Amino acid sequence: RKEVEQDPGPFNVPEGATVAFNCTYSNSASQSFFWYRQDCRKEPKLLMSVYSSGNEDGRFTAQLNRASQYISLLIRDSKLSDSATYLCVVITGTGGSYIPTFGRGTSLIVHP
Amino acid sequence: GAVVSQHPSRVICKSGTSVKIECRSLDFQATTMFWYRQFPKQSLMLMATSNEGSKATYEQGVEKDKFLINHASLTLSTLTVTSAHPEDSSFYICSARAAGQGYGYTFGSGTRLTVV
Repeated sequence: RKEVEQDPGPFNVPEGATVAFNCTYSNSASQSFFWYRQDCRKEPKLLMSVYSSGNEDGRFTAQLNRASQYISLLIRDSKLSDSATYLCVVITGTGGSYIPTFGRGTSLIVHP
Repeated sequence: GAVVSQHPSRVICKSGTSVKIECRSLDFQATTMFWYRQFPKQSLMLMATSNEGSKATYEQGVEKDKFLINHASLTLSTLTVTSAHPEDSSFYICSARAAGQGYGYTFGSGTRLTVV
């Protein structure tokens, strides 16, 4: 089983739709979680952190379920500019040495 | 915000030559730099973790003699692909974490290496 798994998609949705991605992780000791966005042939950029209590940033909502070991990203009112690959990142480590592990990414295509 | 400058952004080299990629943290000290490789439609795969002033830690399956990492200062880490072959063609990205950034990581802009 891979450490971090995501459905690669693509998710093909119309503008204005609501879309959700999940990401599962295998190491129950993982401490921190993030969602990154990567545009084609570009570097990943931090979208948002994921907290146990859940967090929202505009149209984006991230949630963490430690019991089931998954994180989710919900995008409301999708825009054309949301088209990208969304990577979940899981941080694991101890003693000040933390290693980020990336999921394969979920591709989102928002069409008119 | 924290910025990591990576160059070159694109390089084409002949098989058998060596290529050096540099990553500089511009406005923060990066005690740890991560080096990733990404093949088309694949995830970012961690190659190695470099710590300033010490030897890099390589992931399983990554040849340390082929991918030389030097992290001589708190603001500069380099990755040298030695004796490059076409199968080394990939997108290489560095990443570092700035103090006060929580666990968030800042990425360089990446280097697209093509070996012909």
